[in-house]
Amino acid sequence: ETAVFQTPNYHVTQVGNEVSFNCKQTLGHDTMYWYKQDSKKLLKIMFSYNNKQLIVNETVPRRFSPQSSDKAHLNLRIKSVEPEDSAVYLCASSFPGTGQLYFGEGSKLTVL
Amino acid sequence: AQSVTQPDARVTVSEGASLQLRCKYSYFGTPYLFWYVQYPRQGLQLLLKYYPGDPVVQGVNGFEAEFSKSNSSFHLRKASVHWSDWAVYFCAVSMQQGTGSKLSFGKGAKLTVSP
Repeated sequence: ETAVFQTPNYHVTQVGNEVSFNCKQTLGHDTMYWYKQDSKKLLKIMFSYNNKQLIVNETVPRRFSPQSSDKAHLNLRIKSVEPEDSAVYLCASSFPGTGQLYFGEGSKLTVL
Repeated sequence: AQSVTQPDARVTVSEGASLQLRCKYSYFGTPYLFWYVQYPRQGLQLLLKYYPGDPVVQGVNGFEAEFSKSNSSFHLRKASVHWSDWAVYFCAVSMQQGTGSKLSFGKGAKLTVSP
């Protein structure tokens, strides 16, 4: 049962373009996350938000910026994509303090 | 700093055979531990979780895991593998950060099920 929705599922673009990924969760969770999964399946956290407030901001290039309008939405914007940004971006959500995350199906970015 | 090591990147098991996927963690204190599964072209799904208590935890689809503080391990087991278990399995350890949780994942173990 999918309760974390990501759009688009796939996106192909060229170096230097801007890309946005959207994420919405219907679980009533307070915390949302963005993870990056590379071609070797390695997972790294990028950002996490609790009730629209940024609480984790790992070392990511400044061209990445998260945007949250309310606690059910967390979008990810990449201002000027680079080839190394090609990856699957996974959105997740959780209740505070549980450590149990619910993931969306991912947004695969290919940068040509 | 918290971390997780999965020493077996690729595992092949015959259908019906038993399975063990290893996970070693590094964490100061008592960890919260998780196993997630990722089926092809999908996001991650929780298999099972360990919160301090009974060291053996049961998960979905016949999976279980055993926590060992002395060995710093949280190995995943299944008595009889099915072809539908073909997936990538991730072990993770959770650290609380304020009101959020920071999950550190292992590199994953790709399970192939042979006929």
